Order: sequence, then C-alpha cells, then structure tokens
Amino acid sequence: DQQVKQNSPSLSVQEGRISILNCDYTNSMFDYFLWYKKYPAEGPTFLISISSIKDKNEDGRFTVFLNKSAKHLSLHIVPSQPGDSAVYFCAASAGNAGNMLTFGGGTRLMVKP
Amino acid sequence: ETGVTQTPRHLVMGMTNKKSLKCEQHLGHNAMYWYKQSAKKPLELMFVYNFKEQTENNSVPSRFSPECPNSSHLFLHLHTLQPEDSALYLCASSPPVGQRLVNTEAFFGQGTRLTVV
Repeated sequence: DQQVKQNSPSLSVQEGRISILNCDYTNSMFDYFLWYKKYPAEGPTFLISISSIKDKNEDGRFTVFLNKSAKHLSLHIVPSQPGDSAVYFCAASAGNAGNMLTFGGGTRLMVKP
Repeated sequence: ETGVTQTPRHLVMGMTNKKSLKCEQHLGHNAMYWYKQSAKKPLELMFVYNFKEQTENNSVPSRFSPECPNSSHLFLHLHTLQPEDSALYLCASSPPVGQRLVNTEAFFGQGTRLTVV
C-alpha cells in the first residue's frame, strides 16, 4: 500500500498562473517532507522541504504547505514558468529513519507559454 | 549537475549476463542509496548504506547485489535478471549529520536506464 500518494498524474497550467501540486500521506510517523523535480533523462533534484513542526515553507517562487491533521501537503509555484515543466515528486521520511525517503508516484506539470 | 555520477547511463543486458552499475559522489556524504523507478511506479528504495555499512535492504531479490567499498563509491551488481527488472536505477547520497542520520535531502545521480532482454 502506497504511503505517499500523488493523485494527479498530470497538471497543465498557463504561464504566469499558479501551479498547485498535491500530495497525501498515510504514515503518521512521517515528520519531514520534500519535493523533488525531475526532467527527462535526469535524476530528481531537490526543490524544497518542510519539517512537521512548520505548516509553511517558502523559497522564492516555491511554497510548500503542510496540513498535518489532513496528512496533506501541497507545492505552490507562482508564477509558473515554462521551465517549470517537469515531473514533481513528493517524498516523506520519519525521524527514526530520516534518511530513507518514501516517494509518491509523481505529477507531470506542463506550463504552457 | 548534482555531484553524484552514475555509469553507464544506458545498459541493455541479457538474462544470463552479469553487469554492474557504478555510482560515485565527491560531496563528502556518508550515506548512499539505490532506488528503482519502474514505469508508472513511485521510486522504490532498494538499499541504504550508512558509513559504508548496509543498513537497509528492502526485500530486494538476491539477483541484485550492492557493494560499497568506501563512502564515495557504490555499486549494484546484477546477475540473471528478468525482463521485469527493466527500470531506471537511481543512486543517491546524503550529507552526514554526525553519527545520527536525521532528516536531510538526498542528492540523486542521473540514473542508469536498464533494459533486460
């Protein structure tokens, strides 16, 4: 059973608008969450993370929101740019195994010019 | 460029072949990992090495054999694979945080696209 789920396999957004990517998890032991971005023929690259002691973390155009009660996190990209087109993976880890990441299935984001 | 290099980038092998995947990092990290990404599936953690010691083996079949000779190099030895083992194999490493590994992001290589025929 998948402990981290990204229910939207794809998302299409107009350039300049907001992209919202969602992720749900089931394991209440997860306390650290990450977003990775992956271009074709490349490995995933780290984008942004959030600890469970926070509910928001912002880095430039990227903001991650965490709702612990709903076991839900989201990544907001604003404004979206064509170069943001990639597959985005949500990942989570638990404090007692902090270096072992459980990944979601990914969401393909397409930003149209 | 993440500082984690994997070779080869592509590999086609027969079911009776023996091959090895190589991963190298010079980021000063002490934890290294093998992940597998099959089509339409999430990345799956296969093996974890902390300070050259294997600490996790996620029920991976014995036809996959990892080796970590030092903290900068990681290998995945492959033998008698099946076509369903065809996937993208990703190596990753993460920074040391003293002797206790806490929450930290992993840095991934570009992966080896493996096809078993």
